[in-house]
Amino acid sequence: SQQGEEDPQALSIQEGENATMNCSYKTSINNLQWYRQNSGRGLVHLILIRSNEREKHSGRLRVTLDTSKKSSSLLITASRAADTASYFCATDASGGYNKLIFGAGTRLAVHP
Amino acid sequence: DTAVSQTPKYLVTQMGNDKSIKCEQNLGHDTMYWYKQDSKKFLKIMFSYNNKELIINETVPNRFSPKSPDKAHLNLHINSLELGDSAVYFCASSQVRNEKLFFGSGTQLSVL
Repeated sequence: SQQGEEDPQALSIQEGENATMNCSYKTSINNLQWYRQNSGRGLVHLILIRSNEREKHSGRLRVTLDTSKKSSSLLITASRAADTASYFCATDASGGYNKLIFGAGTRLAVHP
Repeated sequence: DTAVSQTPKYLVTQMGNDKSIKCEQNLGHDTMYWYKQDSKKFLKIMFSYNNKELIINETVPNRFSPKSPDKAHLNLHINSLELGDSAVYFCASSQVRNEKLFFGSGTQLSVL
C-alpha cells in the first residue's frame, strides 16, 4: 500500500510545548499535504509542500520533507488547547496514481 | 457562507434501503471528491470528478453511484445499504486536482 503512516498515533502535551508529528510514505510523490480534523468535523488543509521543497512555514506550523527518506514532519510550536485535533498527512503520488492518499492520523491532545 | 456543504449530517437507516447524500460547493472549483472515513479514522478516496466527468472510481461496489449534474454538485446515491457501509462520508473540492482540498463537514451514515 502507498498509504502514508503517521507517527506517533497519539500525542499528549501541555500548552506552550511544541508538538512534532511524522509521516512516512512509500512511493515518489508530487507533493505532500497536512490536514487537521477537529472532532466531528471535516478536514482542513494546513500546508502543502512540493517534492522539490525541503521546508515550509505557515504561522506556528513548520513542515519538512525528506524525499530520500520518504518522510515528512509537522512541527506545531507553542501549542494551544485549540490545536487539539487529529492531524493527517496526504500524499499525491507521482506515476499515475492520480489520487490523494491519507495516512491514519496522529491524535494530538493539548492540555491547558 | 459554507464553502462545501453536504446534507444530511446524520443518516440512520435500515439495511437494504436506498439513500442519497448531496454535496454542493460554492468555490468555483473544477474537481470534487467523495471520501469514506471508517471507524478507525482511515480516509479513503471513493470517487473524483473533474468538471462533471468521472476521473477516479476506486474499486467501490457498484451499489454506490455518484452523479454530478454540474461542476458545483456531486451527489452520492447508495443502493441496498449494508451494515459495512456505516461510516462518515466526506465530500470535498479543489481547484487543482489533489491539491488543497476543501472538505464538507461529513455525513455520518449508520446502517442498522
